[in-house]
Amino acid sequence: SQELEQSPQSLIVQEGKNLTINCTSSKTLYGLYWYKQKYGEGLIFLMMLQKGGEEKSHEKITAKLDEKKQQSSLHITASQPSHAGIYLCGAVTSGTYKYIFGTGTRLKVLA
Amino acid sequence: GAVVSQHPSWVICKSGTSVKIECRSLDFQATTMFWYRQFPKQSLMLMATSNEGSKATYEQGVEKDKFLINHASLTLSTLTVTSAHPEDSSFYICSASAMAGFDQPQHFGDGTRLSIL
Repeated sequence: SQELEQSPQSLIVQEGKNLTINCTSSKTLYGLYWYKQKYGEGLIFLMMLQKGGEEKSHEKITAKLDEKKQQSSLHITASQPSHAGIYLCGAVTSGTYKYIFGTGTRLKVLA
Repeated sequence: GAVVSQHPSWVICKSGTSVKIECRSLDFQATTMFWYRQFPKQSLMLMATSNEGSKATYEQGVEKDKFLINHASLTLSTLTVTSAHPEDSSFYICSASAMAGFDQPQHFGDGTRLSIL
């Protein structure tokens, strides 16, 4: 099984709607990173969370790391077609101490 | 800042050919670079960790003789797919951290799409 599970796997929303993507680990997370990828392209770094309870925002995207540091959520407010892509969480966990990626969430925003 | 350049972006070649992919950190020094492989509609799979001046550390199941990694300088790592076959076709991405420590963000190249005919 994947050490970092993301949900949902895919998401289709109407433009202007809010949405949330979750990233869950069975182990403690040492630094949780959110990336965006367009299919067939590289990853764009969005945000890094390190402390339990930490929350960061960039434009209309907000990410939180829960107190126990085992789950993070990415929230997009008033989604736009430009938000479409694959969102990946990346982290080092207390399980492997290696940098691993979540299963990914494909987001499509309908205009 | 923290720009990683990967070249080439697209390669199509015949079976049996060896292909070299370059990964450069343009505005920072990277003692460690990472190589990933991504299959369609799947997440990134770490292939190996490339350390400047020493041998790469390969993940379980990755053939060292098939995927040769060289990290000759603090700004350049190369991945050579030797005697490539159709099953090696995939999307390969490199990344690098500007600072040491596994709790540092990685910065990614744009990837290389490799197609073996």
